[in-house]
Amino acid sequence: QPVVTQEPSLTVSPGGTVTLTCGSSTGAVTSGHFPYWFQQKPGLAPRTLIYDTSNKHSWTPARFSGSLLGDKAALTLSGAQPEDEAEYYCLLSYSGARPKFGGGTKLTVL
Amino acid sequence: EVQLVESGGGLVQPGGSLRLSCAASGLTVSSNQMTWVRQAPGKGLEWVSIIYGGGSTYYADSVKGRFTISRDNSKNTLYLQMNRLRVEDTAVYYCGNIPGSGNWGQGTLVTVSS
Repeated sequence: QPVVTQEPSLTVSPGGTVTLTCGSSTGAVTSGHFPYWFQQKPGLAPRTLIYDTSNKHSWTPARFSGSLLGDKAALTLSGAQPEDEAEYYCLLSYSGARPKFGGGTKLTVL
Repeated sequence: EVQLVESGGGLVQPGGSLRLSCAASGLTVSSNQMTWVRQAPGKGLEWVSIIYGGGSTYYADSVKGRFTISRDNSKNTLYLQMNRLRVEDTAVYYCGNIPGSGNWGQGTLVTVSS
C-alpha cells in the first residue's frame, strides 16, 4: 500500500511564503496522481483548495498555488495571513490502489 | 450553490450497523462522483469509499466487505451502509463531491462503543 508523506508541521511569518510538499512511497508524484490539497480548521469540515495539481476552486484565495516540485506535489502559500493557520492535507490517486491522504501538515502563522 | 448535508450518525455497539445519508442540493448525485471520507478523533483524514457517475464503487481495505456506498437518484441522496462496526470505525464521516465541485458536507459523528 502506498504511503503519502507530508511535513508534520511548518511555521511561516505573516506575509511570508511557505511551501508544503506531498510525496509518495511509490516514487515521483506526477500529474497522473491528480494531487488534491485540502485545508481544515479545528472543528470544521475540510475545504478543497487545489485539484488536479494546480487548479483552483472559485473560493480558493489567490495566494495559494499548487504545482509539482521535483518528485513531489507542492502547495505554496505566498503572503500568509493569520487565517491561513490550519491543517493541510494532500490526496493522491493511484491506479490499481485506492486514493491516499497524507498525514497532514499543521501550519502555524507566527 | 452546492450543499451536502450528512445525517445518520450516532452511538452504536461493536458489531452493530448504521446508515449514513448525504442529501445533496445544487448537484445531481447520480451523475457525479461522490466520496466518503472519515476522521477519527484527533487524527487525519482517511479516504473510505467512492461511487462514480456510472455506478462503479470502490472501498478502502479497512472497510471493504463491511461498508456499502449507494445512492437514491429520486432523493438525490448518497448513502453509506456500515455493518459489523468496530471501535476503530469511530470518526466524523464526511461526504464530498470529490472529484467534482470540491464541496463537502459538515460531517456526522459515528461512535462505536459498548
